[in-house]
Amino acid sequence: KNQVEQSPQSLIILEGKNCTLQCNYTVSPFSNLRWYKQDTGRGPVSLTIMTFSENTKSNGRYTATLDADTKQSSLHITASQLSDSASYICVVSPGGYNKLIFGAGTRLAVHP
Amino acid sequence: EAGVTQSPTHLIKTRGQQATLRCSPISGHTSVYWYQQALGLGLQFLLWYDEGEERNRGNFPPRFSGRQFPNYSSELNVNALELEDSALYLCANPGGTANEKLFFGSGTQLSVL
Repeated sequence: KNQVEQSPQSLIILEGKNCTLQCNYTVSPFSNLRWYKQDTGRGPVSLTIMTFSENTKSNGRYTATLDADTKQSSLHITASQLSDSASYICVVSPGGYNKLIFGAGTRLAVHP
Repeated sequence: EAGVTQSPTHLIKTRGQQATLRCSPISGHTSVYWYQQALGLGLQFLLWYDEGEERNRGNFPPRFSGRQFPNYSSELNVNALELEDSALYLCANPGGTANEKLFFGSGTQLSVL
């Protein structure tokens, strides 16, 4: 069964600290892996998209990694800011937007 | 350029009623995807419309339906509402090829009492 599992479920960090969110997937075939940021009450916003051949992609203070062999991805946030407080969703695509497999997300709270 | 817009922001209904949710895509984008985000769960694909036609639907009962208008805006209708239909309903436009971004609206929070 195609699944995307994220950990931890929730995380609290202090402003300025770094953190890493994890994503494990069992999706086949594999087309790409996406990370989204979702603020409370808003729609998800794309952070990174990685295909099979890419193992790192950055977007400002966000860096995503992909290990297609172990089917794991991580999202590293550097020098966290209060505005980073949100849910971070890992999404794996076997191909086609109607087939996206969404993780349940990691809820990150950044405290001053 | 305006993004994907959805209305209403919030909708409160009682069991058995019908709900209509609306989505206006990014100008010129013909493809609209609907997703359901129940509390604590990942987004689930509901419906896909393109060029006015339903292209695919997810694993949801027939009381979830919709349509796409000639201007590419879309409606999602949910009949005979049940308590478990309470969720955030999101509309999205793809950016182009399958490896490009998916742009989401802010969603409609549907509460069924």
